[in-house]
Amino acid sequence: AQSVSQHNHHVILSEAASLELGCNYSYGGTVNLFWYVQYPGQHLQLLLKYFSGDPLVKGIKGFEAEFIKSKFSFNLRKPSVQWSDTAEYFCAVRGTYKYIFGTGTRLKVLA
Amino acid sequence: KAGVTQTPRYLIKTRGQQVTLSCSPISGHRSVSWYQQTPGQGLQFLFEYFSETQRNKGNFPGRFSGRQFSNSRSEMNVSTLELGDSALYLCASSSGAGNTEAFFGQGTRLTVV
Repeated sequence: AQSVSQHNHHVILSEAASLELGCNYSYGGTVNLFWYVQYPGQHLQLLLKYFSGDPLVKGIKGFEAEFIKSKFSFNLRKPSVQWSDTAEYFCAVRGTYKYIFGTGTRLKVLA
Repeated sequence: KAGVTQTPRYLIKTRGQQVTLSCSPISGHRSVSWYQQTPGQGLQFLFEYFSETQRNKGNFPGRFSGRQFSNSRSEMNVSTLELGDSALYLCASSSGAGNTEAFFGQGTRLTVV
């Protein structure tokens, strides 16, 4: 079955701490992977995407993610978080005419 | 370039009523998909339309239906509302081609009382 698992449901960090959010997927076809972010009261926005090529992809606001095919993982990282990174983060894989999302990780960054 | 527009932003309905939600995709995008977002469940796929044809449907009861018009605008209808239908309904638009991402609207917050 096609699915996406996000291991951390809630994460609390202090400003300047490093961030890594886990994402594992189960999908048999060509893998297109995404991380979306939802700031409080705002719409889902694309942070970064992987279609092919370099497995280390860089996105907006200093975020990056690494695609590890052997581990079926696409973890999101940021070296130093800011208070403004407080949001909910969703990992997704594109299936056949749909996107399959993880249940999300709520990140709270303490100033 | 205008983004994805969903109307209305908020709705309060009573059980048993029906509701219609609207989505206008980004100009030039022909694919519109709908998702239900609830706390703890994440985003659950409802259906996807491309050029007025439904190409995929999620595991939701038949009370949930949709359609797409020739201008790519889409509507979603929920009949015989239940309390559990309370959620944020998100519309996503994309070109429909491979190697593209989806762009989301702000959603319609439906509350069933």
